[in-house]
Amino acid sequence: EVRLVQSGAEVKKPGESLKISCKGSGYTFNNYWIAWVRQLPGKGLEWMGIIYPGDSDTRYSPSFQDQVTISADKSISTAYLQWRSLEASDTAMFYCARHYSSSSGGDYWGQGTLVTVSS
Amino acid sequence: DIQMTQSPVSLSASVGDRVTITCRTSQTISSHLNWYQHKPGTAPKLLIYSASTLQSGVPSRFIGSGSGTDYTLTISSLQPEDIATYYCQQTYSTSFPWTFGQGTKVEVK
Repeated sequence: EVRLVQSGAEVKKPGESLKISCKGSGYTFNNYWIAWVRQLPGKGLEWMGIIYPGDSDTRYSPSFQDQVTISADKSISTAYLQWRSLEASDTAMFYCARHYSSSSGGDYWGQGTLVTVSS
Repeated sequence: DIQMTQSPVSLSASVGDRVTITCRTSQTISSHLNWYQHKPGTAPKLLIYSASTLQSGVPSRFIGSGSGTDYTLTISSLQPEDIATYYCQQTYSTSFPWTFGQGTKVEVK
């Protein structure tokens, strides 16, 4: 069974760093892209960026470039999304999603990680 | 970036109605267009990929069509469980970012 399991909810203060994770199982992790998607409270889905764990090819939306870092550790089938210095405006739900290719859509999604940034 | 224009923002329809949501892209995306259903408290669910291919397990009342820059999601007979927000997304090859439409909230009268 294919699964993407994300790390749990986080409550952080402004200025703190954070790394959330997305662990894949039930498939060959290296052969699928992992995308990260943000949903601000009451808003729509925003595509943040994507990584291909097989060769660590990483692409970012210009809106998130320099704001976050996407990485992956293929030895443990896990992708990451990290911030160096959180802001209150980073409060959101974050999802990871698996894509086989540009033609396949995000067919499996993680359950979401809620990040709350508040002083 | 490829811009997405999804409409309407919201709609209300009766059970059994035919519902249509449209998505227009700022440049041709050669049918690299996906549709998702998103219900509160759950992860988005892929309905349609490559503009018209039904994802496994998705009811056949969900129909995707279109080409070039204009795409449509049709729910042929709206059911109560279809209450959700629907998003289009373009995944045109190396045209990152793979942007989402603004979303369409579907309600049942």
